[in-house]
Amino acid sequence: AQSVTQLDSHVSVSEGTPVLLRCNYSSSYSPSLFWYVQHPNKGLQLLLKYTSAATLVKGINGFEAEFKKSETSFHLTKPSAHMSDAAEYFCVVSDLLGNTPLVFGKGTRLSVIA
Amino acid sequence: EPEVTQTPSHQVTQMGQEVILRCVPISNHLYFYWYRQILGQKVEFLVSFYNNEISEKSEIFDDQFSVERPDGSNFTLKIRSTKLEDSAMYFCASTRDGTAFSYEQYFGPGTRLTVT
Repeated sequence: AQSVTQLDSHVSVSEGTPVLLRCNYSSSYSPSLFWYVQHPNKGLQLLLKYTSAATLVKGINGFEAEFKKSETSFHLTKPSAHMSDAAEYFCVVSDLLGNTPLVFGKGTRLSVIA
Repeated sequence: EPEVTQTPSHQVTQMGQEVILRCVPISNHLYFYWYRQILGQKVEFLVSFYNNEISEKSEIFDDQFSVERPDGSNFTLKIRSTKLEDSAMYFCASTRDGTAFSYEQYFGPGTRLTVT
């Protein structure tokens, strides 16, 4: 069975400072890993995905994540937070073979303070 | 940019009533999904649909639920007799194909269902 643990339910950063959202996963298979973002009253938007290629994955809006198999982690980072980054972020795992249900973490709410 | 759309954005219904949630997936996509998110909880998988049949469903997706692709564009989720615990945000998603390396599920904005 697959599962995802997002270690922080809420993270607050100042504008211009780095962002770190933590995620650990558990999977019996080689996983695909994703980060989705949800802005208020909007759908879930894919930020980035890992599917067994490069372990450092770059996404949209300056976000990136590093797959560390030894630590079973897939933390999301951004060097400098922007006010528009305030949203809910979901770490998601799936079977690498594709077309299997996504398993979501509980989400981390990111607040950005001016 | 193509997107998944869902209607209505908010549905209020009384317990025991039937509701139909509608989704229009991206036009060249072949796999369709429903997920739900109860307030304060995780997003949970309900069902996946391919080639006009259910390909996988979770234990949440019991006999009260059904899905249908009635025409070439819509994908619907029906709840026959709603319960209070069905109150949630329901997300539709679609993906072009099932290969791992192009695999990305595109999500709609959700329908908030409130059962009173």
